[in-house]
Amino acid sequence: DAGVTQSPTHLIKTRGQQVTLRCSPKSGHDTVSWYQQALGQGPQFIFQYYEEEERQRGNFPDRFSGHQFPNYSSELNVNALLLGDSALYLCASSLILNEQFFGPGTRLTVL
Amino acid sequence: AQSVAQPEDQVKVAEGNPLTVKCTYSVSGNPYLFWYVQYPNRGLQFLLKYITGDNLVKGSYGFEAEFNKSQTSFHLKKPSALVSDSALYFCAVRDGNYGQNFVFGPGTRLSVLP
Repeated sequence: DAGVTQSPTHLIKTRGQQVTLRCSPKSGHDTVSWYQQALGQGPQFIFQYYEEEERQRGNFPDRFSGHQFPNYSSELNVNALLLGDSALYLCASSLILNEQFFGPGTRLTVL
Repeated sequence: AQSVAQPEDQVKVAEGNPLTVKCTYSVSGNPYLFWYVQYPNRGLQFLLKYITGDNLVKGSYGFEAEFNKSQTSFHLKKPSALVSDSALYFCAVRDGNYGQNFVFGPGTRLSVLP
């Protein structure tokens, strides 16, 4: 059983560009959450998707948007990239009330 | 709003000694508490959780944690540390009465010395 997978592993972009990160949840999970982990910090909640809708959102600007597909996979889009968006982006999948399982992350570097 | 504090940035213990990584939390509803471990350049791995029931929770790799409601704490423990336990440890809380997002602490770097 594959766990949570994310692509790409690493990504380098320049300021002002747009980026799309992808996540496939663990088999049987229907909820996907996205987190941003800056260097030396704990993960910060971006938003969560369930039944193809954004259910909760953290304190992130509208430049951060997402989508969930009928197969429960998800995308995170970030527009107008800033240097401060450089971080490890983690995807986590879960069922309600249970622990979240994390993918290996996508390392985004904005130059 | 939920919050998590991990008062120690770093914990160092000798191999074979017991270890404790501290966590305190604040949540308005019922606390759902979790511990995760992160190795370099990797995602987070689940160790254990407290939802309800016994205050002492046993998890993966010999780790356990004790839920203390009066002190709003959920400290991670292991009776005998291994060098391979050296990693970054995160405590997380979720409000059981509302929502699903986890709030993570800042992390504690555990170093087990041979």
